[in-house]
Amino acid sequence: GNSVTQMEGPVTLSEEAFLTINCTYTATGYPSPFWYVQYPGEGLQLLLKATKADDKGSNKGFEATYRKETTSFHLEKGSVQVSDSAVYFCALSPHQAGTALIFGKGTTLSVSS
Amino acid sequence: NAGVTQTPKFQVLKTGQSMTLQCAQDMNHEYMSWYRQDPGMGLRLIHYSVGAGITDQGEVPNGYNVSRSTTEDFPLRLLSAAPSQTSVYFCASSYEGSNIQYFGAGTRLSVL
Repeated sequence: GNSVTQMEGPVTLSEEAFLTINCTYTATGYPSPFWYVQYPGEGLQLLLKATKADDKGSNKGFEATYRKETTSFHLEKGSVQVSDSAVYFCALSPHQAGTALIFGKGTTLSVSS
Repeated sequence: NAGVTQTPKFQVLKTGQSMTLQCAQDMNHEYMSWYRQDPGMGLRLIHYSVGAGITDQGEVPNGYNVSRSTTEDFPLRLLSAAPSQTSVYFCASSYEGSNIQYFGAGTRLSVL
């Protein structure tokens, strides 16, 4: 079946450090990967997405490239800020026109100044 | 633009009580869904709806009922609350054929 596996946390970094959160998935058909972010006390917000192989999504300094050959969508940021402290969820839509999302377990990021 | 609105934000119930979690969206989205978020489990799909009058079960539907009488509203009912239903509940919506979902702020439920 379809599943998402992401790096377990928590991840603790100093400000301006490099961030990588790994995400891999198993799926049939033509899946679309996403990253959602949940700031403390809030709901989930879409951070970035990809729709086809080798697509690179980017937003707020975060990037992720959809690698179909390794079924991965790793999240990266070159220089994190305290305001990036949040829980990050990798998610998968198994079908291009589908609407159900399958989520990873989430990775908590804490950034200190 | 309100987006997806969930009420209440917090609720404490006793075992066996019933309640309804409300979800409303003002974006005319066809698709709506309910997830629960538990520590170390990510988000799991409870029920979803592809339009008014149409609902279906997700991954963890037991103990929950839904209905969709209008496009805007998608309430989640707990008929007899159990401690295992202590969780944070999120409602989400999207356009038909789009896989980008918009989430509400969540309802934190404790069942004692």
